[in-house]
Amino acid sequence: DGGITQSPKYLFRKEGQNVTLSCEQNLNHDAMYWYRQDPGQGLRLIYYSQIVNDFQKGDIAEGYSVSREKKESFPLTVTSAQKNPTAFYLCASRDRTNYGYTFGSGTRLTVV
Amino acid sequence: ILNVEQSPQSLHVQEGDSTNFTCSFPSSNFYALHWYRWETAKSPKALFVMTLNGDEKKKGRISATLNTKEGYSYLYIKGSQPEDSATYLCAFTNNAGNMLTFGGGTRLMVKP
Repeated sequence: DGGITQSPKYLFRKEGQNVTLSCEQNLNHDAMYWYRQDPGQGLRLIYYSQIVNDFQKGDIAEGYSVSREKKESFPLTVTSAQKNPTAFYLCASRDRTNYGYTFGSGTRLTVV
Repeated sequence: ILNVEQSPQSLHVQEGDSTNFTCSFPSSNFYALHWYRWETAKSPKALFVMTLNGDEKKKGRISATLNTKEGYSYLYIKGSQPEDSATYLCAFTNNAGNMLTFGGGTRLMVKP
């Protein structure tokens, strides 16, 4: 079955450490996205990539970095510069119709 | 930052009740309005994508309407069942068509 895999589901890190969240898709989608959700809030866009080797900042990019070296993979690094990293992170990809989005099941990051 | 709002934030209903939620979005530069159903610990699943003013879509007991001139969409569930319990997300795409802006979601809980 085609889909998006995010790993791990739960991640714990100490404050001050960088951590990388994985997002892999086998849907042959060009565009990929990272969203963040905080309790009681909607999904907010961190970064997106429309094609390999290209990406753009979303609404809340500060403290995060991404890479898009392969079409299938769009890892997100939460750096020590991110002031409130504890959150739920959701990855998505989009097909060429501009209507078909597929989502992963998310990674919950807790920084202690 | 585009403003997409959903109401109510949460809703508790009895099995068999019919219910509806509202999504409001910017009426300018409209491209598409998406509704997703998101169950706990799973990935959001697409319910409807609507693009034309006056669109009405239906899938079983769930239906949605769209008014792009005034910037709102309604989602209706007829005869709610416990398995309808989930968070319902709406998301707006502007005429660039390349990213989703989400509302905060409506969390529905249906009691047997």
